[in-house]
Amino acid sequence: IQLTQSPSSLSASVGDRVTITCRASQGISNYLAWYQQKPGKAPKLLIYTASTLQSGVPSRFSGSGSGTDFTLTISSLQPEDFATYFCQHLDSYPVTFGQGTKLEIK
Amino acid sequence: EVQLMESGGGLVQPGGSLRLSCAASGFTFNDHYMDWVRQAPGKGLEWVGRIRNKAKSYTTEYAASVKGRFTISRDDSKNSLYLQMNSLKTDDTAVYYCAHPHTIAWGGAFDIWGQGTVVTVSS
Repeated sequence: IQLTQSPSSLSASVGDRVTITCRASQGISNYLAWYQQKPGKAPKLLIYTASTLQSGVPSRFSGSGSGTDFTLTISSLQPEDFATYFCQHLDSYPVTFGQGTKLEIK
Repeated sequence: EVQLMESGGGLVQPGGSLRLSCAASGFTFNDHYMDWVRQAPGKGLEWVGRIRNKAKSYTTEYAASVKGRFTISRDDSKNSLYLQMNSLKTDDTAVYYCAHPHTIAWGGAFDIWGQGTVVTVSS
């Protein structure tokens, strides 16, 4: 199963609402997760089962979707949100990740 | 504190072998599945493989790119996970992370990650 994220990169300002999409090459039910990664650091789980917020993650992050089309939304960007975001499917083996979306400061 | 810590990375020649370790603490290691994920320099994340728990007979799954060359194992008495890498290629150069699925139920995402260990395959 291939995951295609769009856009690959995105420039935005603090306070903006941002949406990143992830499209699966076949249906994966809701077995999709989102991660945030900062340079030199391990990924951090934000969302699992498409829309469940991981404990400790700010509520400005939200996820939606099912089947093949998914979105990650950040309702009001904060300075610490500038990072790279990856989606991941966990529907079957092999587990795969999207290619990433780099969120940069405008 | 829940923690994973990898070790064993380094420089190895093409065709060589290396064994990575991942020490777990702060949770009941033997109950859980464990995974390896890698990230080549400047690239995205690539899942390497998984080992299940004793209840599931320590069965494993691998990415096609490493199947037959890499072996995942664990020692529950030492709360440790391992990745034996043989016949290494330059394409295996990456940061290797161990990761913990948040549930053994289907679809468990990776809620705990180690800090990563760097493997460089070069002559």
